[in-house]
Amino acid sequence: QSVLTQPPSVSAAPGQKVTISCSGSSSNIGSKYVSWYQHFPGTTPKVLIYGNNKRPSGIPDRFSGSKSGTSATLGITGLQTGDEADYYCATWDSSLNGGVFGGGTKLTVL
Amino acid sequence: EVQLVESGGGLVKPGGSLRLSCAASGFTFSTYSMNWVRQAPGKGLEWVSFISSSSSYIYYADSVKGRFTISRDNDKNSLYLQMNSLRAEDTAVYYCARETAALNDALDSWGQGTMVTVSS
Repeated sequence: QSVLTQPPSVSAAPGQKVTISCSGSSSNIGSKYVSWYQHFPGTTPKVLIYGNNKRPSGIPDRFSGSKSGTSATLGITGLQTGDEADYYCATWDSSLNGGVFGGGTKLTVL
Repeated sequence: EVQLVESGGGLVKPGGSLRLSCAASGFTFSTYSMNWVRQAPGKGLEWVSFISSSSSYIYYADSVKGRFTISRDNDKNSLYLQMNSLRAEDTAVYYCARETAALNDALDSWGQGTMVTVSS
């Protein structure tokens, strides 16, 4: 059971928008920066969002992040079939004194 | 170009030991904190351990505390994970990942991973 809770799967049609939620607590999301990672099975994870809502260079503005209280959200607009991947939220937990990942969300672009 | 290359994975019996290495290049290794993250077959990413740039701060996930030891050699640009008393549930791909303060401590570079299989 992950400390951060994500939906196991989400789906949407090409061109549409999808959001992926990440729920935590005051000791992690509520007080720390959240980052989001895209992971294609068999490859290396890639950071999409850092600092709750910032995009590293090279990440298209179709990807966005937000945080409110103890929850964070990843948004993806203009969905493409190439966006089909697993998405993870992550942060630090001050109670556990360790990093924490969400359980991951599998995105299907129908 | 930033490169992280893990090695040392393999098949080990329960109770055995293994030492993973991560060779870093393309950046000033000694100025970055590093992490180990793993992914068990069919499961999600799991944070394993953190070490600060000068090894002053070290943290472990509860699942590996007391069995795994993270270390680094800044002269050799290398990160290590000594894994003892291995269990079947430690079977996973192990990634080393660079943590970047400029990106609010996000993990901005990852190695390709090394597979560890614990089985009799």
